[in-house]
Amino acid sequence: DGGITQSPKYLFRKEGQNVTLSCEQNLNHDAMYWYRQDPGQGLRLIYYSQIVNDFQKGDIAEGYSVSREKKESFPLTVTSAQKNPTAFYLCASSPRDGGLSYEQYFGPGTRLTVT
Amino acid sequence: AQSVTQLDSQVPVFEEAPVELRCNYSSSVSVYLFWYVQYPNQGLQLLLKYLSGSTLVKGINGFEAEFNKSQTSFHLRKPSVHISDTAEYFCAVSRGGKLIFGQGTELSVKP
Repeated sequence: DGGITQSPKYLFRKEGQNVTLSCEQNLNHDAMYWYRQDPGQGLRLIYYSQIVNDFQKGDIAEGYSVSREKKESFPLTVTSAQKNPTAFYLCASSPRDGGLSYEQYFGPGTRLTVT
Repeated sequence: AQSVTQLDSQVPVFEEAPVELRCNYSSSVSVYLFWYVQYPNQGLQLLLKYLSGSTLVKGINGFEAEFNKSQTSFHLRKPSVHISDTAEYFCAVSRGGKLIFGQGTELSVKP
């Protein structure tokens, strides 16, 4: 049963702590993405990776870090430098066709609450 | 630069009524367009996509959308909605391996 797994579904942390969100896919997709979703703001791209061992900053990368050591895994670390980390985080993946990515497939999301 | 504008942030409608969710995009090149649906506290699910070919695209759950190049629009329609269609809907355009999303439209179907 192919898909994207994000864990945990809900995550609570104290301010000042780093936290890592997991994203795993078994769709054999080359590209993976992390988005942040806040009410009324749609989806904003944090980081993306088109291939293993390579990734690029999205529109709101400050305070976040990623790694892409394996094709199926793209973990996101929310650092203490992120000023407003409380949000719903979505991971996605996409097949590549001729070097371009089109539709994206999304995981169920992780809701992070920092107090 | 490409951008996406969803013209309505909220659309209330009665069950079995038709609905149209509006989406306009700005682009000077060929575009690939998508509509996604998001149910509360879940990820996004692809409803339909336009890559090329027929401008009328049919998707899942009875939804369809029409690509209009002259008006740079990609409106989503359903002839008769159900309570279960209550969700948030996102229009998106592909740009260089990334998707640019609109702000979303909350569809609320009332009995």
